[in-house]
Amino acid sequence: KQEVTQIPAALSVPEGENLVLNCSFTDSAIYNLQWFRQDPGKGLTSLLLIQSSQREQTSGRLNASLDKSSGRSTLYIAASQPGDSATYLCAVNSNEKLTFGTGTRLTIIP
Amino acid sequence: NAGVMQNPRHLVRRRGQEARLRCSPMKGHSHVYWYRQLPEEGLKFMVYLQKENIIDESGMPKERFSAEFPKEGPSILRIQQVVRGDSAAYFCASSATRGTNTEAFFGQGTRLTVV
Repeated sequence: KQEVTQIPAALSVPEGENLVLNCSFTDSAIYNLQWFRQDPGKGLTSLLLIQSSQREQTSGRLNASLDKSSGRSTLYIAASQPGDSATYLCAVNSNEKLTFGTGTRLTIIP
Repeated sequence: NAGVMQNPRHLVRRRGQEARLRCSPMKGHSHVYWYRQLPEEGLKFMVYLQKENIIDESGMPKERFSAEFPKEGPSILRIQQVVRGDSAAYFCASSATRGTNTEAFFGQGTRLTVV
């Protein structure tokens, strides 16, 4: 059974800093891994998708890495902004099912 | 191209009533997934459907819950005889493909409150 863990559960950083969010998973037999952001009371916005054969993906200030053999992924956010404040969710796709971590609640302090 | 559309956004039901949640996938997407987010918990997979077929319902409670994705029209998640423990946010996602290229796009969710 796939299990996904995200550390830390909450993080507060001053505006402008770079930061890293961590995700680990127990079963390396995955199709892909997605990072999402969720704003309070809202749906999920897909940020990045990394296929199982890929090592990293980049979109603007976001960079996600995947080390399938060790069961780890990181989301790097450069030059953080107050608008980045949200909950960030890591989800692993195994057999067409997404298994989610419980998220990292990020607060960017202006 | 509209995203995944869910309605209603908020639904209040009394205990014992039925709740019907609707999901229209993105245009061209034939794969639909339902997830549930209980208060203070992560999202949990419920069911995966393709047009007219249930592919994987391993996350669905055995009783009172059912899902369909007919040839025409939206996918429906139906909860019969709701109880307070059914109060949660229900999210629908859709994708165009299966496998490693599968990127799931989520709707805004339906927040069900059972009173």
